[in-house]
Amino acid sequence: QSALTQPRSVSGSPGQSVTISCTGTSSDVGGYNYVSWYQQHPGKAPKLMIYDVNQRPSGVPDRFSGSKSGNTASLTISGLQAEDEADYYCCSYAGSSYVFGTGTKVTVL
Amino acid sequence: EVQLVESGGGLVQPGRSLRLSCAASGFTFEDYAMHWVRQAPGKGLEWVSGITWNSGKIAYADSLEGRFTISRDNAKNSLYLQMNSLRAEDTALYFCTKDKGYSYGYIDCWGQGTLVTVSS
Repeated sequence: QSALTQPRSVSGSPGQSVTISCTGTSSDVGGYNYVSWYQQHPGKAPKLMIYDVNQRPSGVPDRFSGSKSGNTASLTISGLQAEDEADYYCCSYAGSSYVFGTGTKVTVL
Repeated sequence: EVQLVESGGGLVQPGRSLRLSCAASGFTFEDYAMHWVRQAPGKGLEWVSGITWNSGKIAYADSLEGRFTISRDNAKNSLYLQMNSLRAEDTALYFCTKDKGYSYGYIDCWGQGTLVTVSS
């Protein structure tokens, strides 16, 4: 149950795109199509942004998209907006448990 | 509207016990798996434990070393976490969370959390 690896931080200017990677193993990310992504603003509870690798819940802007290749999943935010500045965590099903990523701080320059 | 309200957190001495509760409303509680997730101050999210709709499948993070017990009471729409032999490293905000279905898939709803501080 080692945490999935994410970059500590990424940044971009408004309107640009940023991509966050999430690297695991064949026992979690690579083994299941159950990767989800969460956005967390300071002092708030996390919010589901992507589920099942690339599915968006109702109400989440289509600027957010997800993908997976092998043991690495990715979250892309296109057309970056000021309100996207937050911490982002990936999460994967791992057989009989969940494992979260280390978290990435997205900064809008 | 789904609501998950945690309670039971507080300041506790190392080695002591604490029981967290989560009151669920706005959905058919007995139809969904539930989980506890924690976040140490300034740190990332850590999955703690999960329980399926009928308590038939229960799992824990390896790091807990058998000190925590998750349970649920579907008649009371409530989830619990019994925490024993608490350590300083258990200090965290504990979130009650709902899964997307009766078994594990992904977490789709979060409570606001209850803070547990382990200190002498």
